[in-house]
Amino acid sequence: GENVEQHPSTLSVQEGDSAVIKCTYSDSASNYFPWYKQELGKGPQLIIDIRSNVGEKKDQRIAVTLNKTAKHFSLHITETQPEDSAVYFCAASSSGNEKLTFGTGTRLTIIP
Amino acid sequence: DTGVSQNPRHKITKRGQNVTFRCDPISEHNRLYWYRQTLGQGPEFLTYFQNEAQLEKSRLLSDRFSAERPKGSFSTLEIQRTEQGDSAMYLCASSFSAGVLEKLFFGSGTQLSVL
Repeated sequence: GENVEQHPSTLSVQEGDSAVIKCTYSDSASNYFPWYKQELGKGPQLIIDIRSNVGEKKDQRIAVTLNKTAKHFSLHITETQPEDSAVYFCAASSSGNEKLTFGTGTRLTIIP
Repeated sequence: DTGVSQNPRHKITKRGQNVTFRCDPISEHNRLYWYRQTLGQGPEFLTYFQNEAQLEKSRLLSDRFSAERPKGSFSTLEIQRTEQGDSAMYLCASSFSAGVLEKLFFGSGTQLSVL
């Protein structure tokens, strides 16, 4: 089955700086890669996703890049703000496999 | 419609008791998923429905667990003879999918504590 590894497990950045979270996956058939943000006491919230037919996707301060050859994808958050503090999860799925496999999460702390 | 709704938000039970959780998905969504999340981990897939049909169950779903989605609307997850290892956050998610996996939207979860 699919295995998703996520690094780092914790990340602290100064407000206004950029944050990068990286994930690798094992199943070369995986073709859908969403990122979720989870705040304390809440369920995961989808923030951005990418399919394997594109290498990069951007939505305001958030971007995701995908390297299919190396089987890794990354989340980039620019101009970080205190409200970006949360746990972020990457996930992967393949066609015909109708479930997401999640990474272990990154706790992002934005230092004012 | 404000999203996926789960009830109760918290449940405390004694070992050996049965518990049931409810999930109301986003109304036009045909797929409904159950995941389990323990502290410091990502959500783990348990099972999913397309309309009223339960199409896949994880090995994590022992025979003490049963899920239903009558009429393809809300879903219930029941755990019989609860064990302390069942303590976790149980998350429900829904999506509208026509073939390929589409965006999953999660509810806020039910936090289960088994004493």
